[in-house]
Amino acid sequence: GAVVSQHPSRVICKSGTSVKIECRSLDFQATTMFWYRQFPKKSLMLMATSNEGSKATYEQGVEKDKFLINHASLTLSTLTVTSAHPEDSSFYICSARGTGLPVTYNEQFFGPGTRLTVL
Amino acid sequence: AQTVTQSQPEMSVQEAETVTLSCTYDTSESDYYLFWYKQPPSRQMILVIRQEAYKQQNATENRFSVNFQKAAKSFSLKISDSQLGDAAMYFCAYGQGGSEKLVFGKGTKLTVNP
Repeated sequence: GAVVSQHPSRVICKSGTSVKIECRSLDFQATTMFWYRQFPKKSLMLMATSNEGSKATYEQGVEKDKFLINHASLTLSTLTVTSAHPEDSSFYICSARGTGLPVTYNEQFFGPGTRLTVL
Repeated sequence: AQTVTQSQPEMSVQEAETVTLSCTYDTSESDYYLFWYKQPPSRQMILVIRQEAYKQQNATENRFSVNFQKAAKSFSLKISDSQLGDAAMYFCAYGQGGSEKLVFGKGTKLTVNP
């Protein structure tokens, strides 16, 4: 149980375009989803936390107008990188936690990640 | 703010041997959780083991065990009988009770030599 999927796994886009990444919880209801960014050989940097039906909470230094997050249902959150530029190229990972799980451990279940390359 | 420190950027171990990865953290809270995550080359984050701060007993999961020293704020991971499939980046993470965020260390790259 507790599977999280991401789509697409890889995406290449031109500078100035927008890219949408989907994160889905397949077998549980994700009340909270998290979006991370990971640079090569670096740790995970939390970008934002989203709760179903409410606005996302962004970490300091993350541009909310550039990284649009929507968590419209208990199984789907999306991250849209608007007007992407080469410096936005990175590995984006989502995670989720929610109901129907042993939530007492504060555990997050991670998606497989999306590699974004902006040309 | 809570911080997590992994002082070993890289470690190596011979197959079938034992290796210990270090992690220290800083917090003034009493209710928290600690985790070790594994990230293999596929980049999929996998939970290895977790520990609740209020539990004195060290967590174990098969070949993986932790040495949780609450007073010293230390949370090391011991991998016994290392296997080639254990080769990965290992991240130590801190989770605040009642909060949902995780704070990650910078990671330790583990190489397993045949």
